[in-house]
Amino acid sequence: DIVMTQTPLSSPVTLGQPASISCRSSQSLIHTDGSTYLSWLHQRPGQPPRLLIYKVSNRFSGVPDRFSGSGAGTDFTLKITRVEAEDVGIYYCMQATQLITFGPGTRLHIK
Amino acid sequence: EVHLLESGGGLVQPGGSLRLSCAASGFNFSNYVMSWVRQAPGKGLEYVSVITGSGAGTNYADSVRGRFRISRDNSKNTVYLQMNSLRVEDTAVYYCADGGLGYWGRGTLVTVSS
Repeated sequence: DIVMTQTPLSSPVTLGQPASISCRSSQSLIHTDGSTYLSWLHQRPGQPPRLLIYKVSNRFSGVPDRFSGSGAGTDFTLKITRVEAEDVGIYYCMQATQLITFGPGTRLHIK
Repeated sequence: EVHLLESGGGLVQPGGSLRLSCAASGFNFSNYVMSWVRQAPGKGLEYVSVITGSGAGTNYADSVRGRFRISRDNSKNTVYLQMNSLRVEDTAVYYCADGGLGYWGRGTLVTVSS
């Protein structure tokens, strides 16, 4: 099974400042079809997760452009250019190259 | 607008059974892979099961294989999760989502306790 790790697990941020979360997979996420199925999701307390980014760098419908994803192979990053209050919560990376596994989550909170 | 609505959760004793349902609307249901993902209280997300659009292909997490069964009725735009031999550690909110996890329901809580 592919194991996903995230750093940091908790990230205090200042409103208006950038934030970054890293995700690493235990093996390459390049599928035999050539795509890399790495996604990022955001979950606020009491709500279902919301897809932000799919296939490494593609923003899902309605996701603000302050969110961006990058990376390749086994190392990936989610960046927020300027954190807004609604961005607090838990961020998960997820791979769907080989079944589905999630990272442990990174809690983004305001300093 | 895509809408997914789970139902069927509740309190059940260890060893018992429950069937969850997820009613879908707003998209061509039979063309979509559908998934179940769960979240234990205060914990992260865990993949449970997935089914292809036709229903011919299914897959399960090791933790539920042999106890849970996913199915779908495309005439009713509904996907199901039959859960048998439930354990305390199956306690979680169960979400249904499309295969790409772009659309999620609000979840249904399953509590396994004596």
